[in-house]
Amino acid sequence: AQSVTQPDIHITVSEGASLELRCNYSYGATPYLFWYVQSPGQGLQLLLKYFSGDTLVQGIKGFEAEFKRSQSSFNLRKPSVHWSDAAEYFCAVGEKSNTGKLIFGQGTTLQVKP
Amino acid sequence: SAVISQKPSRDICQRGTSLTIQCQVDSQVTMMFWYRQQPGQSLTLIATANQGSEATYESGFVIDKFPISRPNLTFSTLTVSNMSPEDSSIYLCSVLAGGQDTQYFGPGTRLTVL
Repeated sequence: AQSVTQPDIHITVSEGASLELRCNYSYGATPYLFWYVQSPGQGLQLLLKYFSGDTLVQGIKGFEAEFKRSQSSFNLRKPSVHWSDAAEYFCAVGEKSNTGKLIFGQGTTLQVKP
Repeated sequence: SAVISQKPSRDICQRGTSLTIQCQVDSQVTMMFWYRQQPGQSLTLIATANQGSEATYESGFVIDKFPISRPNLTFSTLTVSNMSPEDSSIYLCSVLAGGQDTQYFGPGTRLTVL
């Protein structure tokens, strides 16, 4: 069965430091891959997505993610974190059959130290 | 993308009562979904809301507990019936847009059952 693992439940980084959030998936083929961010009391906002092609994808707010098929990973990165990036981050896998179903990881809570 | 609104944004309800959550989209969409996010947890798909036919429920969710309506291509409702404290969650609707390959989420409805 498809699954998504985010190994880090909670991460704390200093403002200005670089960030990498890990995501591993289990899927029978190359899935659609997404990163969403949820700020406190808010819904989910799409950061970026990967469907095919270039394995390094750029998103909003300065985020990027790299798809590595050999490692079944889709890690999210940002070179310099801002205090406003503090939020919960979810990695998700979507079915290519166009059912629209998403399977979410458990989420990683990012805390930013001043 | 799509702009999605939900009503109510939050509510506190008594055990045994029911609450209907509304989801409105600013454009016609084929597929709409309802998710549950229990406290401190990730998102779990409840069902796909189908226009003109019965919703398709995921394993563990039943129509008697979570009846869904989808009268047209821009609107859906989710009812949480006979509520118990275990139903306290954030309920989010989402739609498939952006070329039918990306899911966009509403702001969520935070439900507390006493």
